[in-house]
Amino acid sequence: ELKVEQNPLFLSMQEGKNYTIYCNYSTTSDRLYWYRQDPGKSLESLFVLLSNGAVKQEGRLMASLDTKARLSTLHITAAVHDLSATYFCAVDKADSNYQLIWGAGTKLIIKP
Amino acid sequence: DTAVSQTPKYLVTQMGNDKSIKCEQNLGHDTMYWYKQDSKKFLKIMFSYNNKELIINETVPNRFSPKSPDKAHLNLHINSLELGDSAVYFCASSQVKITAENTEAFFGQGTRLTVV
Repeated sequence: ELKVEQNPLFLSMQEGKNYTIYCNYSTTSDRLYWYRQDPGKSLESLFVLLSNGAVKQEGRLMASLDTKARLSTLHITAAVHDLSATYFCAVDKADSNYQLIWGAGTKLIIKP
Repeated sequence: DTAVSQTPKYLVTQMGNDKSIKCEQNLGHDTMYWYKQDSKKFLKIMFSYNNKELIINETVPNRFSPKSPDKAHLNLHINSLELGDSAVYFCASSQVKITAENTEAFFGQGTRLTVV
């Protein structure tokens, strides 16, 4: 059974600091997604990682995928308050249903 | 132009009532989903339809019944609402053909259901 674990589940940090959120998954998959959810809002797609070694960057966020280690990271550089949100990773089950299996989410609070 | 739209955004109703949530996508995707997000923000898939065919039906009370009149629409009907049904329900869509580059899901704005 495919399981997806994120850590930490909660992170409070100061502006200007760097930090990394980790997403581990339990079985083979080549496709991993990161989403952002603001309080009371919907989920917004951030990154689509489709192969081993894939790296995507958008502003202060950078995501990478290591399919051999079954690990993706979301790195935040010089955090700013606007990045406060809950971040989810999801892994493609890659069977006939292509169901996305979701992590529990990381609630990130960035203090000014 | 909204890609995945669901209505209503808020729904407050009494226990025992029957209610529906509607969802439409204009992305041309072949698969649509209903997710439930509880107060702890955990996302749980409820149903998935591919080209109007039910392909995922997780352990959900049979009071919940999805209906897909065409591949652009997936509605959720809930009978005999209970307090525990209070949550945010998200509709989503994606393209899951084997030749699709990715199965990235696009979400609707969510429906906050409160059962009193």
